[in-house]
Amino acid sequence: DGGITQSPKYLFRKEGQNVTLSCEQNLNHDAMYWYRQDPGQGLRLIYYSQIVNDFQKGDIAEGYSVSREKKESFPLTVTSAQKNPTAFYLCATQRTELYNEQFFGPGTRLTVL
Amino acid sequence: AQSVSQHNHHVILSEAASLELGCNYSYGGTVNLFWYVQYPGQHLQLLLKYFSGDPLVKGIKGFEAEFIKSKFSFNLRKPSVQWSDTAEYFCAVIRYGGSQGNLIFGKGTKLSVKP
Repeated sequence: DGGITQSPKYLFRKEGQNVTLSCEQNLNHDAMYWYRQDPGQGLRLIYYSQIVNDFQKGDIAEGYSVSREKKESFPLTVTSAQKNPTAFYLCATQRTELYNEQFFGPGTRLTVL
Repeated sequence: AQSVSQHNHHVILSEAASLELGCNYSYGGTVNLFWYVQYPGQHLQLLLKYFSGDPLVKGIKGFEAEFIKSKFSFNLRKPSVQWSDTAEYFCAVIRYGGSQGNLIFGKGTKLSVKP
């Protein structure tokens, strides 16, 4: 079954704790992305990676960190430095060629209590 | 900086009504445009895309969009909506410059179709 897996679907954490969101893909796509979706705000880019062992900050990277040790995996850590971490987080992939569409995972809803 | 504007936050229609959702972008050069849809509880998925050629683009489920360069617009249309079209719709443009390939999204339009 090909696609993008994000786990868990729902995540609850206490304020001040770091939390890591998983994103795995078996589409063999080189590029991977993390977005944050808030009501009425659309999707905003947090981090992206176009090849293994390399990643770049997006528009709202503060308080987040990522790693890309394998092509299939692009985990996102929400740190205690993120001021407003409660949100819906979406992972996406894209083939390396420009102008191709991005494919999205099912998302993780993070709630910080 | 590039941006995408979607004019309507929430649109409510009755079944069989015609739909047009507005999308304007700010970049003046060559653009690649997308409409994505997020049905309740489902993945964000691509409805249609424009890269070049015919400015009238047809997508899945009877949707179409027209690229009007002079108006910097890429409006989404459907002649007759169904209850199953209830979803949130996002317009997006490929970002040019230092982050090539990244998408810039509009804030989305929620469509509610009354049966």
